[in-house]
Order: sequence, then structure tokens, then C-alpha cells
Amino acid sequence: GAVVSQHPSRVICKSGTSVKIECRSLDFQATTMFWYRQFPKQSLMLMATSNEGSKATYEQGVEKDKFLINHASLTLSTLTVTSAHPEDSSFYICSASDSTRGSYNEQFFGPGTRLTVL
Amino acid sequence: SQQGEEDPQALSIQEGENATMNCSYKTSINNLQWYRQNSGRGLVHLILIRSNEREKHSGRLRVTLDTSKKSSSLLITASRAADTASYFCATDRVFGNEKLTFGTGTRLTIIP
Repeated sequence: GAVVSQHPSRVICKSGTSVKIECRSLDFQATTMFWYRQFPKQSLMLMATSNEGSKATYEQGVEKDKFLINHASLTLSTLTVTSAHPEDSSFYICSASDSTRGSYNEQFFGPGTRLTVL
Repeated sequence: SQQGEEDPQALSIQEGENATMNCSYKTSINNLQWYRQNSGRGLVHLILIRSNEREKHSGRLRVTLDTSKKSSSLLITASRAADTASYFCATDRVFGNEKLTFGTGTRLTIIP
């Protein structure tokens, strides 16, 4: 159990276009989803936290108008990179947790999406 | 958020040897976790240790936690080629709303 999927796994787009990445919890209800960004050979940096049905909370330095996050249901969150530029090229990873599971809300990670902006 | 640091940044050992990685963090924590990441892939959860625990074992993994020094270590015994990956520690803070802060990671290479 506790499987999280991401789609697409890889995407290449032209500069100036928008890209949507989906994160789904397949066998549990994700009350909270997290979006991370990882540059090559670096660690994961939290971009934002989203709770189902409410606005995402962005980390300092993350542009909310550029990285649009929607968590419309308990199994789906989307990250849209708007007007993408080459510097947005990165590995984007989501995770999901279920606050009803118990005292500790373990995060389950998706396999990641490799975004390349030309 | 302030990242923790891990050392070494990279480690290469012969298959069969033990590998030790260290993690330091900066704030009071609830839990510390270790994850593995194969190149270009997502994270695999390895082990969680709570702030009131000092040592935990899971198979070939041994994790220690020293809250007074704000540090943790991950020991992988009898390493295998399949253990080649990057290893990250991650902490969640007291009243941190479940947010994880990841360490800088250790790239482990097991030489067959």
C-alpha cells in the first residue's frame, strides 16, 4: 500500500510554455501533499505544501504565480510550471501523507518528473 | 528552510565492507529518517528514528541518533552492489507541520 504516482515521468518543453505535473495517491487519501525540487547531485528542496481543498503554502523564495499548485481532491495534486524557462529544468518530486493514519504522518514519495526546458 | 549536512559527500567502498554515513541537523526534531535514492528515481524510505530513541536496526541497517549533538549515523553492513545510491537524512521539526528538511546527501558507490 501507500503508492504515489507521478505523470509524466519526463517532459521536454519549449521556453515560455506551461507544463503540468500530476501527483496521485493510488491507494490512500492524501490529506497533505508536498512538492520538492531537486537539482542534479543536490538534495531535495521543499517548494510548497498543499492540503486538500485549500491554498498551498509556499516556501520562502518560491514564486507562487510561477509554480501553481492545485490539490482539488484527496488523491490528486497538480503542479503547473508556468512560462517555463531553462532554469526551471529540474527533477520535481511529490510526496503525500494521510493525517488520519496515526500519530506520525509518514510521507510517501512519487517517482519524480524530469523537466527539461529548451 | 535550513538543510542538514551529511558527510561524507561521496563514499566508495568494496563490496562486503561496511558503509557509514553521518548527518547533522540544526533544530530540535521529532523524528529523523533515512532515504535512499537511485539515480534519477524517487525516494525509498529506509528507517525512521524518533527523537527519544538512540539506536534502531532494520536488516543490514543500523541508525543512531544523538540529539545532544544533533547528529545521526547510518551504517550499512556487508554492503552489496545494489546498495549503490544516494542516501539522504530528513528531519521533521517540533511544530513543523510534518515538513521534512533533507540533508545534502551522501553518494555511495559499492565496488564489486
